[in-house]
Amino acid sequence: NAGVTQTPKFQVLKTGQSMTLQCAQDMNHNSMYWYRQDPGMGLRLIYYSASEGTTDKGEVPNGYNVSRLNKREFSLRLESAAPSQTSVYFCASSGQLNQPQHFGDGTRLSIL
Amino acid sequence: GESVGLHLPTLSVQEGDNSIINCAYSNSASDYFIWYKQESGKGPQFIIDIRSNMDKRQGQRVTVLLNKTVKHLSLQIAATQPGDSAVYFCADPYTGTASKLTFGTGTRLQVTL
Repeated sequence: NAGVTQTPKFQVLKTGQSMTLQCAQDMNHNSMYWYRQDPGMGLRLIYYSASEGTTDKGEVPNGYNVSRLNKREFSLRLESAAPSQTSVYFCASSGQLNQPQHFGDGTRLSIL
Repeated sequence: GESVGLHLPTLSVQEGDNSIINCAYSNSASDYFIWYKQESGKGPQFIIDIRSNMDKRQGQRVTVLLNKTVKHLSLQIAATQPGDSAVYFCADPYTGTASKLTFGTGTRLQVTL
């Protein structure tokens, strides 16, 4: 009963390095999302994909890119990591947009 | 801009008591709300949702109340248990166009024995 799986769980990068966070869901959901969670800020949407083949910017897209590889997988890429991108990143999926989302357990990313 | 917010950052209750977590919203067009629970080190987990054509919805030990007049909703947890200790978020999936599922910052529920 996997649900949403994120890899890796932890990562430490140096400023300027690149990194791809992976996300896969096994619930046959159409929509997928990437969030970041910072203390006192709540969850903020980075990018989302309403359906396979489409991606759209969320609230805080700068410094990130995404790829909806297929219906199951949605990856988040940091091309040149900055300390301000230190955060916990959550991937989520839902049957359709504006339906309850199922979340992974997060990737804890530190950028030095 | 529009926002979804929570009144109290931390709520401490005794085991067995009832808990009430509040949430205010500002977008009068919002018509669907979701409550999530987030345990330490884990992602948010869906608890219950409510649409604006309802004032109240009950689940297992949880009840959500919606007051559209004052744009307020609350999550009530009956007979609070240690396993209920977590951060609780209300979320509005309809806020804005670029921002799907706007979350409040959360209320931390601490259950004391």
